[in-house]
Parts: sequence; structure tokens; C-alpha cells
Amino acid sequence: GESVGLHLPTLSVQGGDNSIINCAYSNSASDYFIWYKQESGKGPQFIIDIRSNMDKRQGQRVTVLLNKTVKHLSLQIAATQPGDSAVYFCAEMGADSSYKLIFGSGTRLLVRP
Amino acid sequence: DTGVSQNPRHKITKRGQNVTFRCDPISEHNRLYWYRQTLGQGPEFLTYFQNEAQLEKSRLLSDRFSAERPKGSFSTLEIQRTEQGDSAMYLCASSLWAGKGHTDTQYFGPGTRLTVL
Repeated sequence: GESVGLHLPTLSVQGGDNSIINCAYSNSASDYFIWYKQESGKGPQFIIDIRSNMDKRQGQRVTVLLNKTVKHLSLQIAATQPGDSAVYFCAEMGADSSYKLIFGSGTRLLVRP
Repeated sequence: DTGVSQNPRHKITKRGQNVTFRCDPISEHNRLYWYRQTLGQGPEFLTYFQNEAQLEKSRLLSDRFSAERPKGSFSTLEIQRTEQGDSAMYLCASSLWAGKGHTDTQYFGPGTRLTVL
């Protein structure tokens, strides 16, 4: 299948530990952000989103933090499981009144059993 | 499964041939997006439609690329006179846009992997 994420930064965590994946976005005018998970051979899968008027949003086992001052996003995954192993991308939208997503460079998450 | 579907999943073609990909969005989604992804990179925007209208095209979309969404439902992406540099994963996404001030959450299909020999 498709090999996604060659030469990407890799985060290796022990199963059961918490994971934090970081992302620097490019445009201070972006107003909507999404985290996607991509497994090999598959399309990106929506995980969680956040608007620029918020600084934190929680989902099931995941939390996204937004720091607009330094243009930084993070994705926290609680009690990481082997099924969480994938490449994770952050994406931003809205800087130029466009609805296209601009993706950051991904991070590969490897969960050790 | 009522997610975004794409066909074919894989396409191998010789340089100079034309190829066409199809995307079926989530039912009732009014927006449909095309992206391209190369190995080790995040997806890059190509173009998008709202209903049948093509609202934005990237500079990446050369004259050899054309996309249509004639009835506001499925879409096709055609590449004419393919080149080896066109080898990539072509991803389709759809969204239900409710108007200005609302978010435009895009849900992706599995992609079509194109290999140009």
C-alpha cells in the first residue's frame, strides 16, 4: 500500500502513555484548524478541530491546544493505543478567505506494545 | 459505508496517456475538494466545487488537469498527457458548508494512487 510519511519526524511512545504531537502553522490570519490521522494506504481521517476563538478543545481521548501568539497547535492523545500508530497532520484554513486546507509536515506516531 | 468514495483506487499508466478519476462525496455534501499528496508530504490543494460551480483552482493545476462536477454530486478529475511528475495520491474530500461564519470540515476519501511509467 501507499507509504505515507517517509522521512517524517517520528514520535515513539509506550502503549498506555500519553502522546503530544506538535505543529507550527504558517499564517496568523488562519481561523480554523483540524488534526487528521493518516494510516498507510488510506486517506486522512478527521480527528478533532478548533476555531481560532478557542484555545482548547477536548474529544474522546484527544485534546487540541491552540496558541495563537506563537502559531502553535498541539494534539494530545491520552492512553495511547497501538491503533493510534499513524502519521498525524495539522491543517489550517481561512487566512485568505479561502476554504482550502493547508497541511503542515506530518509526524509519525509509533506506539510500542 | 457512507463516506467519500474514490475510483479507481490504483491506476498505472504510461507517460502521455490520459487518465480520469472519480469521486463520490458524502451524500448531501455541497462542497467537494481535490488534493494531491506525494510521498512524505501533506496533501496539497488542487481545486474545489460548491455544488456544480468550481470556485477555486490552485496554481498547481496546470492546463493538463481538468475537474468537473456536472450535477453537483460526483466529480471527475482528468489528467491529459500524463507525466512522471504526476505520480501521486489524488485525494477527494467533501464537506457540508452551512454558510459564512460556519466551519468547513472536510472528510477525505481513500484516494487514487497514480503511477506514471
